Amino acid sequence: GDSVTQMEGPVTLSEEAFLTINCTYTATGYPSLFWYVQYPGEGLQLLLKATKADDKGSNKGFEATYRKETTSFHLEKGSVQVSDSAVYFCALIGRGNAGKSTFGDGTTLTVKP
Amino acid sequence: GAVVSQHPSWVICKSGTSVKIECRSLDFQATTMFWYRQFPKQSLMLMATSNEGSKATYEQGVEKDKFLINHASLTLSTLTVTSAHPEDSSFYICSAIRAGEQEGTQYFGPGTRLTVL
Repeated sequence: GDSVTQMEGPVTLSEEAFLTINCTYTATGYPSLFWYVQYPGEGLQLLLKATKADDKGSNKGFEATYRKETTSFHLEKGSVQVSDSAVYFCALIGRGNAGKSTFGDGTTLTVKP
Repeated sequence: GAVVSQHPSWVICKSGTSVKIECRSLDFQATTMFWYRQFPKQSLMLMATSNEGSKATYEQGVEKDKFLINHASLTLSTLTVTSAHPEDSSFYICSAIRAGEQEGTQYFGPGTRLTVL
């Protein structure tokens, strides 16, 4: 079945540091890929997505590129802020899977001033 | 656009009582809604898929008589935790897929914190 593997956390960075959170997946065919962010006590918010190979999703300074050859969708940001502290989830929706998402375990990011 | 609300945002109840949680898509029609459960510092566990006008599809290991789901309209799905016990305490999150959206992006509600005493 489909699966998503995320870099284990927690990740602690200083403000303005470069962020990478690794995400690799296993799926049949060509899934759609997503990054969601969850702030404390809240639900998930869509951060960015990519629906086909070589697509780059971007939002709020975050980027991720759909790499079919390495089955990866790593999240990056050039300069993190304290307000980026949250839990980040990588997810996929397999083709023909009726919209059901498979989530990674989440990576907790803490940014210190 | 694509706002999903949940009500209540938190609830405390006594063991043995039933609790209903509502999930509404405020500005779009949702043909499919999902219910998740999230334990502290853990990922989301899909409980069931709710389609408007039909019975919910439950994931393996989820008791359908314990967690009743009703998707009565294109904007509302409800989850009722029947005869709740302390082990049902959790953060429940719903999500919705907008009708006609091909990529299946899920729009999440803010979650409901259930505490059973």
